[in-house]
Amino acid sequence: QQQVKQSPQSLIVQKGGISIINCAYENTAFDYFPWYQQFPGKGPALLIAIRPDVSEKKEGRFTISFNKSAKQFSLHIMDSQPGDSATYFCAASPYGGSQGNLIFGKGTKLSVKP
Amino acid sequence: GAGVSQSPRYKVAKRGQDVALRCDPISGHVSLFWYQQALGQGPEFLTYFQNEAQLDKSGLPSDRFFAERPEGSVSTLKIQRTQQEDSAVYLCASSLSPGQGNTEAFFGQGTRLTVV
Repeated sequence: QQQVKQSPQSLIVQKGGISIINCAYENTAFDYFPWYQQFPGKGPALLIAIRPDVSEKKEGRFTISFNKSAKQFSLHIMDSQPGDSATYFCAASPYGGSQGNLIFGKGTKLSVKP
Repeated sequence: GAGVSQSPRYKVAKRGQDVALRCDPISGHVSLFWYQQALGQGPEFLTYFQNEAQLDKSGLPSDRFFAERPEGSVSTLKIQRTQQEDSAVYLCASSLSPGQGNTEAFFGQGTRLTVV
């Protein structure tokens, strides 16, 4: 049973465009929603995270939008750059992130064309 | 060290061989996690330690998988009698401490295990 569903599987965006990746979850006990960025041969690195008490969080070019009633959250990358080309994973945790038992989506491979 | 260090980076094992994967977490990090990442998939949780205590091992796929962290710092993931389906990248992550509001998990580069 896939607890966090991520789409699309792959995404191609022109430089300067907006990249949007979506995730949906079923477990209403989830209360911590991070996004991770992973480059080939590297471990995932935390990009941005949100808790369900807010509907949006922005850090630089990266924004998380969170819809608690729909049980969906998304990552928006503004002014996408070739250096953003990587695989992005959404994740969720029922422990506020404190125990780190993260449940990951299957990932989205983003390619930003120059 | 500056980050989570894992060794070896690559391991090729013959089917049936035992392997041991090492993780050096960030100094002072209380929490340590192991994840398994199959090719083209997201990481999947294996087990969690708080200091030397293994608080959650619900993700370990079989009794061939065993993890330890005897002194609350370095951890070892051991896989006995490796099978081809064990081929994956094994990721270790650490975080400062539960309950202190700093929950970011820092990942190592992983160990790529190939069972032939």
